[in-house]
Amino acid sequence: DIQMTQSPYSLSASVGDRVTITCRASQKISKYLNWYQQKPGKAPKLLISGASNLRSGVPSRFSGSGSGTDFTLTISSLQPEDFATYYCQQSYSSPRLTFGGGTEVEI
Amino acid sequence: EVQLVESGGVVIQPGGSLRLSCAASGFSFDDYAMHWVRQGPGKGLEWVSVVTWDGGTKYYTDSVKGRFTISRDNRKKSLYLQMNSLRVEDSALYYCAKDRGYLSPVYSFDSWGQGTLVTVSS
Repeated sequence: DIQMTQSPYSLSASVGDRVTITCRASQKISKYLNWYQQKPGKAPKLLISGASNLRSGVPSRFSGSGSGTDFTLTISSLQPEDFATYYCQQSYSSPRLTFGGGTEVEI
Repeated sequence: EVQLVESGGVVIQPGGSLRLSCAASGFSFDDYAMHWVRQGPGKGLEWVSVVTWDGGTKYYTDSVKGRFTISRDNRKKSLYLQMNSLRVEDSALYYCAKDRGYLSPVYSFDSWGQGTLVTVSS
């Protein structure tokens, strides 16, 4: 299975900060990479599909980039409601889908 | 508005069987593949299984193959997960999730239920 490694494991940031989360795949996955946000006690929410395609209704401060093995999720100006855990997920080797371990963003 | 409502989670002994259900509304259920994704207590997300729109194709993660069976009833707009020979490591919050792709799955999840908790313990 393709392993997805996220870094950092957690981070602490302030409102207004630019935050970058990295996701690395154990083999090339082209752009078959999705990002989810999960707030405490809630279900995950799809933010970005295809590495860089922002889902409708997701604030434009979120962006995704990368291809191959290295991907990033960037929050350009962190807001209090962005406190959450973020997961990457590869769909290249579907149906053998795998998620990253998550990155907890603390405000 | 898409709604997915899971049910059926309980506390059960190892070796037991359980069926989870997911009731869907707010979209054309029979046009989309559906998935089960689980999250162990304090852990990350793990994809479990998928069924295509017509129920004709099903896939499972290796750890549940031969023990879990996914199914759907398009007339009832419902998704199911039959779980047999349960193990302690199957304990998790089980989410029902809708695939983003129309008719053909793209293996990303654009709507999720609130989850149903399965605890396997003696």
